[in-house]
Amino acid sequence: RKEVEQDPGPFNVPEGATVAFNCTYSNSASQSFFWYRQDCRKEPKLLMSVYSSGNEDGRFTAQLNRASQYISLLIRDSKLSDSATYLCVVTRTGYALNFGKGTSLLVTP
Amino acid sequence: SQTIHQWPATLVQPVGSPLSLECTVEGTSNPNLYWYRQAAGRGLQLLFYSVGIGQISSEVPQNLSASRPQDRQFILSSKKLLLSDSGFYLCAQKGPTNEKLFFGSGTQLSVL
Repeated sequence: RKEVEQDPGPFNVPEGATVAFNCTYSNSASQSFFWYRQDCRKEPKLLMSVYSSGNEDGRFTAQLNRASQYISLLIRDSKLSDSATYLCVVTRTGYALNFGKGTSLLVTP
Repeated sequence: SQTIHQWPATLVQPVGSPLSLECTVEGTSNPNLYWYRQAAGRGLQLLFYSVGIGQISSEVPQNLSASRPQDRQFILSSKKLLLSDSGFYLCAQKGPTNEKLFFGSGTQLSVL
C-alpha cells in the first residue's frame, strides 16, 4: 500500500462550483499534514497546513481525520485560477515528506 | 524568508553525457536540503537529502549522486545519463524547526 494515496482525477468543474479532494495515508505515526498546489511545469507551492481541528483559509478548507487516516481539501466558489494539481503531503518529525501523486483540477468557464 | 536558486530551467542532454545541477539557498543557516524528481505522470520521488556539509543520504539507488560542498549549496550529478533520468528535478529546503518544504523553480531535464 502506498503511503499517501489520492484520486488522480481529473476533476472538471464549472466556475463557482464547490469541489472536494480526498487523501488517505498509511502510517498512523504521521504528525504533520499539508496541501501543496502545483501548476503545470512549475514547482509545488505550499497551499495550507492541515490541523486536527480543521482549518480554513479563504475559500479553502482542510480537514484531518486521524482515526480514519484521511485528509480532505474543500474549495468553494472555484475560480479559473484554481486549475492546478493538488498534492497531499504527510510527514513526521525527522522524516522526509511523503507526497501523493496529486489530484488534477480543471475549472472551466 | 527562504530563497532557493536552481538552474538551469531547461536542459537537453544526450544519453551517456554527464550532468551537474546546482542549487543554492538563502535565508537559513544549516538547512535540510533535498533533491526530488518528478517523472511524467508520476509523483515526487525523493532522491537525496542532506542535513549538513558533506552529509548525503540516498533514498533511491541509481546512477545519480549528490554533494554538499558548502552549507547552502547542493549539487546533483551523474557521470552518464540514461533515458530514464528524464524528468523535472526539484531542489527543496526545510528549516531545522520547520516541517514545511519550499521548492526551487526546478530543472526540466530531457535525455535524448
